[in-house]
Amino acid sequence: AQSVTQLGSHVSVSEGALVLLRCNYSSSVPPYLFWYVQYPNQGLQLLLKYTSAATLVKGINGFEAEFKKSETSFHLTKPSAHMSDAAEYFCAVSASGNTPLVFGKGTRLSVIA
Amino acid sequence: DAGVIQSPRHEVTEMGQEVTLRCKPISGHDYLFWYRQTMMRGLELLIYFNNNVPIDDSGMPEDRFSAKMPNASFSTLKIQPSEPRDSAVYFCASSPIGAYNEQFFGPGTRLTVL
Repeated sequence: AQSVTQLGSHVSVSEGALVLLRCNYSSSVPPYLFWYVQYPNQGLQLLLKYTSAATLVKGINGFEAEFKKSETSFHLTKPSAHMSDAAEYFCAVSASGNTPLVFGKGTRLSVIA
Repeated sequence: DAGVIQSPRHEVTEMGQEVTLRCKPISGHDYLFWYRQTMMRGLELLIYFNNNVPIDDSGMPEDRFSAKMPNASFSTLKIQPSEPRDSAVYFCASSPIGAYNEQFFGPGTRLTVL
């Protein structure tokens, strides 16, 4: 069975600072990994995905994530936070390209001016 | 292009009443998903369809919940009778063939059962 653990339900950073949101996964097979973002009062939106190609994945809005098998991690980063990045971020795992996503509990990112 | 459309956006009802949530997926998408989001349990997959056929309904909490997809452009999630513990945000999502997990979510329906 697949699962993800997001460390920290709430992360607060200053505008312009590095954003680091942590995700560790558990999977019995090589996983497919995803980050989704949810802005207030909206549905989730795909940020980026890892599907066994390059280990460093670039997504929208300047975000990227690195797959580290030895650490079973898929942390999300952005070099410089913007106010518009304030949202809830969800890490998700799937056993293959056509099996259901299992979402983490989410991390709420606040950006302070 | 219009995204996934859900209605109503907000629903307040009394315990015991029937509730019907509606979803219009993105045209051309083959998969449709219904999720429930609560503070306690996070985001849970309830059921998903492929080409209008229900594939996996193991996430449906109990027989009070039912979902249908009569055609490629419409799906409903019904709760009958509703209970206060059903209060949550319900999301519909769709994805195209070949990109099952690249899901496009609707804005959600916030359900409150009094």
